[in-house]
Amino acid sequence: EPEVTQTPSHQVTQMGQEVILRCVPISNHLYFYWYRQILGQKVEFLVSFYNNEISEKSEIFDDQFSVERPDGSNFTLKIRSTKLEDSAMYFCASREDRGGANVLTFGAGSRLTVL
Amino acid sequence: DAKTTQPTSMDCAEGRAANLPCNHSTISGNEYVYWYRQIHSQGPQYIIHGLKNNETNEMASLIITEDRKSSTLILPHATLRDTAVYYCIALSYSGGSNYKLTFGKGTLLTVNP
Repeated sequence: EPEVTQTPSHQVTQMGQEVILRCVPISNHLYFYWYRQILGQKVEFLVSFYNNEISEKSEIFDDQFSVERPDGSNFTLKIRSTKLEDSAMYFCASREDRGGANVLTFGAGSRLTVL
Repeated sequence: DAKTTQPTSMDCAEGRAANLPCNHSTISGNEYVYWYRQIHSQGPQYIIHGLKNNETNEMASLIITEDRKSSTLILPHATLRDTAVYYCIALSYSGGSNYKLTFGKGTLLTVNP
């Protein structure tokens, strides 16, 4: 079964450092997402991406965050200068556009720990 | 998108059916009901969705009331591996790039041996 692949599975970084989280969406999917989940809290929407541009972003997704699809297969989330409160699980998701109901397929997540 | 209400937690005995309720009394005619689950910090996993009719797949069954104000997800023979947080989400298909899932707190289902 096709799956969304995320790397790294766990990253530890120092506050203020830049972090790039990588995702390989399912190959025929056109819409891409990043969500995050702080420990013990809800899964929160960060950003959606389609046709090489951001479709929608949440209040969380401020100027410290950026997304890119650099080579047609990877989809990355960059955090420019990490803060302690960025520590969370980050989930990538993708979907195809089948009209009507749609399903998001999520990756296993990247755990980010900011020290 | 309509708000959904789910119990915070439920228990179920292994091998028994797990029936997870969801209230979505303000659902509109073009909103689907989706169920996802999250097993201990893994990525959310799609289970099933429906609009009006009851649906069944290899994972579960979805029963939607005739007035569409509530639904029940049924795991027919729960196993320990079904212990997870289950999310009920009402969502309309508003057009390609504006589609996203918004997760609530869900129901923590604990399957006991």
